[in-house]
Amino acid sequence: KAGVTQTPRYLIKTRGQQVTLSCSPISGHRSVSWYQQTPGQGLQFLFEYFSETQRNKGNFPGRFSGRQFSNSRSEMNVSTLELGDSALYLCASSPLAGGPPHYEQYFGPGTRLTVT
Amino acid sequence: EDKVVQSPLSLVVHEGDTVTLNCSYEVTNFRSLLWYKQEKKAPTFLFMLTSSGIEKKSGRLSSILDKKELFSILNITATQTGDSAVYLCAVMYSGGGADGLTFGKGTHLIIQP
Repeated sequence: KAGVTQTPRYLIKTRGQQVTLSCSPISGHRSVSWYQQTPGQGLQFLFEYFSETQRNKGNFPGRFSGRQFSNSRSEMNVSTLELGDSALYLCASSPLAGGPPHYEQYFGPGTRLTVT
Repeated sequence: EDKVVQSPLSLVVHEGDTVTLNCSYEVTNFRSLLWYKQEKKAPTFLFMLTSSGIEKKSGRLSSILDKKELFSILNITATQTGDSAVYLCAVMYSGGGADGLTFGKGTHLIIQP
C-alpha cells in the first residue's frame, strides 16, 4: 500500500498570501488529521476530518481551514500568511471509523512552508 | 490550560543502557495518552494507553500509565543507535463535544555507540 502523500513538499510564500496544502491518505483510510510542527511550539494539532466533516479542531485562528473530499483526500488552507506560520505541516491518516481518531495514525512526509 | 510536559528534554546514553522517559499531563476529561517516535520527519505511533497500571509492550519498548498521579513512562531497554529519535507524548481529551490532542515538546534521545 502506498503511504500518506503530501504536496508540495516545500513551499515559500510571502506575508499576506494564502496557501493550500494537499494530503492523500492511505487507500481505505477515512480520517485525515493535520498538524503544525515548529521548533518552539512542537507538534500541534490543527484539525481532523472524517467522511468530509471536520470532527475535531485545535486552537488555531480561523485563518487555518481545511476540507476533505469524497475520496478522503484533504486540503488545508492558510490565508493571510504570517511569518509565524513558517513550519512543517504534517498530515496523518487513520483507518478508524468512529471512536478515538488519534491513534494508529500514519504520517506523511510533511510540507515545509516558509513565509518571508 | 491543558498541558503535557515531558522530561528530560534531551538525554544522551550509551548503547545497551536502559532509559526511562517521562510524560506528565494536566488535562480536563482525559481520554488516552499516546507515545510517538519521530526520527526525521513524520512521527510513528508506538503506544496508546487508556487504563492505569496496564503495561503495553513492544519488543524492547514498554509503557505504563498512572491516571492517579497523571503521568506515563516510556522504557527502552538494551538501547541501540537506531533508537535515537525524539519521543513525543500526546494526550487526547474530550471537550465541547469534540476531542482534542495536545503534544509535549518531546524528549530528544541520543544513543552513542
